[in-house]
Amino acid sequence: DAKTTQPNSMESNEEEPVHLPCNHSTISGTDYIHWYRQLPSQGPEYVIHGLTSNVNNRMASLAIAEDRKSSTLILHRATLRDAAVYYCRTSGTYKYIFGTGTRLKVLA
Amino acid sequence: NAGVTQTPKFRVLKTGQSMTLLCAQDMNHEYMYWYRQDPGMGLRLIHYSVGEGTTAKGEVPDGYNVSRLKKQNFLLGLESAAPSQTSVYFCASSPLGQALSNQPQHFGDGTRLSIL
Repeated sequence: DAKTTQPNSMESNEEEPVHLPCNHSTISGTDYIHWYRQLPSQGPEYVIHGLTSNVNNRMASLAIAEDRKSSTLILHRATLRDAAVYYCRTSGTYKYIFGTGTRLKVLA
Repeated sequence: NAGVTQTPKFRVLKTGQSMTLLCAQDMNHEYMYWYRQDPGMGLRLIHYSVGEGTTAKGEVPDGYNVSRLKKQNFLLGLESAAPSQTSVYFCASSPLGQALSNQPQHFGDGTRLSIL
């Protein structure tokens, strides 16, 4: 079945760019790649999604590998408010497959 | 801007008791989902619904039942609670789209359930 793999944790200095990787080597050709983030005691919040091309929005950028087996969420300038757990999501037999998430720590 | 609302926010049950978690969305979304979140396990799909009156099993459906009698509501039931069902439960919804996986999901803030 489809599976996503993410590093458990990452650290970044404030106002520096952050690149959060996700491996989804078994993704099917029609499945979108989504990213969500979760603040303490809240539900996950949608960040960005894409299929093949790189995507940008006001929150972040999404870089998708040409073979689609991996993607990278890019926060261009990390702030203290970006400290959260970031999940990538693809699809599988049981619909949406979330990774176990990367806990991002932002250092002031 | 209510979005997805989950009731209750916290609950403590004894083993063997039953209860129903309620999820309500006001965005007219077709799809609704129930997830559980456990430490180190990420989000795991319990059941989902692609429309009023229809439900389907997700990755971890055992011990749970669901119903979608109205488009805006999705109920998750525990008939006989077990300590292994202690978790944080999240409801989500998403709109109809060209491809099921194309649409972002909107999540509630969760129900923290403890089974003693």
